[in-house]
Amino acid sequence: GAVVSQHPSRVICKSGTSVKIECRSLDFQATTMFWYRQFPKKSLMLMATSNEGSKATYEQGVEKDKFLINHASLTLSTLTVTSAHPEDSSFYICSAIREVSDTQYFGPGTRLTVL
Amino acid sequence: QKEVEQDPGPLSVPEGAIVSLNCTYSNSAFQYFMWYRQYSRKGPELLMYTYSSGNKEDGRFTAQVDKSSKYISLFIRDSQPSDSATYLCATASGSARQLTFGSGTQLTVLP
Repeated sequence: GAVVSQHPSRVICKSGTSVKIECRSLDFQATTMFWYRQFPKKSLMLMATSNEGSKATYEQGVEKDKFLINHASLTLSTLTVTSAHPEDSSFYICSAIREVSDTQYFGPGTRLTVL
Repeated sequence: QKEVEQDPGPLSVPEGAIVSLNCTYSNSAFQYFMWYRQYSRKGPELLMYTYSSGNKEDGRFTAQVDKSSKYISLFIRDSQPSDSATYLCATASGSARQLTFGSGTQLTVLP
């Protein structure tokens, strides 16, 4: 199956700092990637759709200035959590669309803890 | 009302049992139905993908979709401890680009 990686897998940072999370499609090109957030024992909440070469589309209630998304190439999207606060602590998961099968493949997730 | 409802469990079964996981949905426009398996602290892994109504079988896993009752199911035969995970149903209307997830059912298969 298609492989999507995320880096880092886990990050702990101080309140007020910014954290960048990378999402890569390793064996296919993805014009569209998604960023989700997942709280413990809860389902995935779509944060934004990342489109290669254009601005991301954010879901209602998601602050675009706080969660900066850059999709600079067909295999890489980044999510930067700016001025992180403890309430931003969560499990962040990306996914990428494999065009040939119109299927969404997920990365392994990044656990962010803001102290 | 949520668009996709799923019993969160937890569900515990003995090894070898048949497991039935279910979701209901409200949007009749949904045409694509998926089941994902998520191990603890990992991303979801696609298990089954079906289009419209009917059954699909893959090894020990069978997915069923009944669009008339807006009901989707995943059956696991001869369940194994390695099947212990959270199972998420997901639906979409136009394509896999805009998924609506259920809340997930936590399954434990006891050896």
